[in-house]
Amino acid sequence: RKEVEQDPGPFNVPEGATVAFNCTYSNSASQSFFWYRQDCRKEPKLLMSVYSSGNEDGRFTAQLNRASQYISLLIRDSKLSDSATYLCVVNQNTGNQFYFGTGTSLTVIP
Amino acid sequence: EPEVTQTPSHQVTQMGQEVILRCVPISNHLYFYWYRQILGQKVEFLVSFYNNEISEKSEIFDDQFSVERPDGSNFTLKIRSTKLEDSAMYFCASRRTASVDTQYFGPGTRLTVL
Repeated sequence: RKEVEQDPGPFNVPEGATVAFNCTYSNSASQSFFWYRQDCRKEPKLLMSVYSSGNEDGRFTAQLNRASQYISLLIRDSKLSDSATYLCVVNQNTGNQFYFGTGTSLTVIP
Repeated sequence: EPEVTQTPSHQVTQMGQEVILRCVPISNHLYFYWYRQILGQKVEFLVSFYNNEISEKSEIFDDQFSVERPDGSNFTLKIRSTKLEDSAMYFCASRRTASVDTQYFGPGTRLTVL
């Protein structure tokens, strides 16, 4: 059973579109949640942490649903520079392991 | 802005050889990690290190792997006898404290085993 599952995509969207990614996690004891962005052959970079109340950073909105063990990322007004793979990451806080999803590929088309 | 650095950026080795991958975490960070990512696959946790000892390791981190913090700044991953399937990108990451979850990743070392 996978710790973190994501729809791998690919998502191909036009510039200006709104796109949403979903992620589910298996361990109900998980405490910390993140979205990372990974460009091709580069390291993962933190996009945003996900808080219980939901949080927004500019065009990006993250939501957490603990009851359903589900995390989402919404990107509004997509830019060409948003093209990347988006990684869902979960930490249980009881340990020191961070579990990564396989990532969701996004391509924003002009 | 402080960053995690890794050397070399690319390492090519023959099967059966030993390799050492080097990382310099951010200076005031206390938790250190190694991950690997096989081409086209997800990032996989290998090991975490705190207070000069391994705090957790995954099933991947078997006896051929070891980690060390030899001098207070470097953090190394040694693979004793490389196999073809060890070919991957290896990322080092560091985290400041237990209460700060954000990890910062280095640029990675691409290991190619021939």
